[in-house]
Amino acid sequence: NAGVTQTPKFRILKIGQSMTLQCTQDMNHNYMYWYRQDPGMGLKLIYYSVGAGITDKGEVPNGYNVSRSTTEDFPLRLELAAPSQTSVYFCASSSRPENTEAFFGQGTRLTVV
Amino acid sequence: KQEVTQIPAALSVPEGENLVLNCSFTDSAIYNLQWFRQDPGKGLTSLLLIQSSQREQTSGRLNASLDKSSGRSTLYIAASQPGDSATYLCAPTPGNQFYFGTGTSLTVIP
Repeated sequence: NAGVTQTPKFRILKIGQSMTLQCTQDMNHNYMYWYRQDPGMGLKLIYYSVGAGITDKGEVPNGYNVSRSTTEDFPLRLELAAPSQTSVYFCASSSRPENTEAFFGQGTRLTVV
Repeated sequence: KQEVTQIPAALSVPEGENLVLNCSFTDSAIYNLQWFRQDPGKGLTSLLLIQSSQREQTSGRLNASLDKSSGRSTLYIAASQPGDSATYLCAPTPGNQFYFGTGTSLTVIP
């Protein structure tokens, strides 16, 4: 199993550009998450999904969109990138968060200039 | 909203020492709590998961305890090694999501 795979690993965007961060998992997990991690801060939840076709906002959803058309994939869309979106983005998955562990991808380091 | 605090923020110890990392959380209505390890530039790796009904969980040199009613968890690392150097994060889980502290950055000096 590859686990949780994120692409790209690094990206530089100009202000106002858009991009999609890709996340795929091969563990057949229903729950998937997008977090951002800023220096000195804990991970903040952007969006999560409890299954294909179902998404919900987390703590910091503004400026982002998600979709979940399949169990495996959970892409994160940034529209009109802003410097405040410079961060490291992590995708995670879990089969049942109430009693099983979460698995994380390696992260995408995004810089908006 | 769940608030998670980890103390200390950074810790430096000589190799071979036993150490304790602390995690406190404000909402005791959780299903479980996980401890993660994060190496620089990497993702998070789950180390231990303690269910709310458990008091302790052990894996090798790691032992995690949970006192749900007081909103506290500790991670005990025995006989520390340089390879243990990393950031350790705790994540209580009230339901659909995980809440994270800012972590404890551990350096084990050879």
